[in-house]
Amino acid sequence: EPEVTQTPSHQVTQMGQEVILRCVPISNHLYFYWYRQILGQKVEFLVSFYNNEISEKSEIFDDQFSVERPDGSNFTLKIRSTKLEDSAMYFCASAKDTADQPQHFGDGTRLSIL
Amino acid sequence: AQSVAQPEDQVNVAEGNPLTVKCTYSVSGNPYLFWYVQYPNRGLQFLLKYITGDNLVKGSYGFEAEFNKSQTSFHLKKPSALVSDSALYFCAMRYNFNKFYFGSGTKLNVKP
Repeated sequence: EPEVTQTPSHQVTQMGQEVILRCVPISNHLYFYWYRQILGQKVEFLVSFYNNEISEKSEIFDDQFSVERPDGSNFTLKIRSTKLEDSAMYFCASAKDTADQPQHFGDGTRLSIL
Repeated sequence: AQSVAQPEDQVNVAEGNPLTVKCTYSVSGNPYLFWYVQYPNRGLQFLLKYITGDNLVKGSYGFEAEFNKSQTSFHLKKPSALVSDSALYFCAMRYNFNKFYFGSGTKLNVKP
């Protein structure tokens, strides 16, 4: 069964540095998402992406964050000038052809800011 | 304001007994509701959804959920729990076109 893959599985970065988290969604999916989960707790919606543009974003997704689908297969989350509180698990998800379809999640990238 | 609440941090049940994991929601308009399960060090896995139609929704692994509009609830149920059902369960709601709210999660412990 096709899977959403995320790399790296663990990223350690110095505070203030930029980090790019990478995701390869399922190939025929059209809707893409990034979520954040701190310490196995609540899952927080960051952003949704459809038709090559952001369709929704949360209050968390400020100017520090950006997303891109640079080549039709990858979907990236960039965090500029990282802060200690950005430490979390970041999950990418994709859904097939409507926003009501089940989302398929990757196994996440653990981001540690030192 | 839109929100999803899971009032129980943890639910303990004996194997073979029925289980219920509670979820309530608040939204203006019709809700689009989902349940996901998360095993340790993994991403979330879809269990079931309610968009419209029958209030009782059947999903994966024998789980079902009952949508109750008057009580604004969408509780997850299973008639007979398995030890392998032990995991973290999240209720979620779609809002606007493509924005999602997740509950705080409920840890289900099924004891042999």
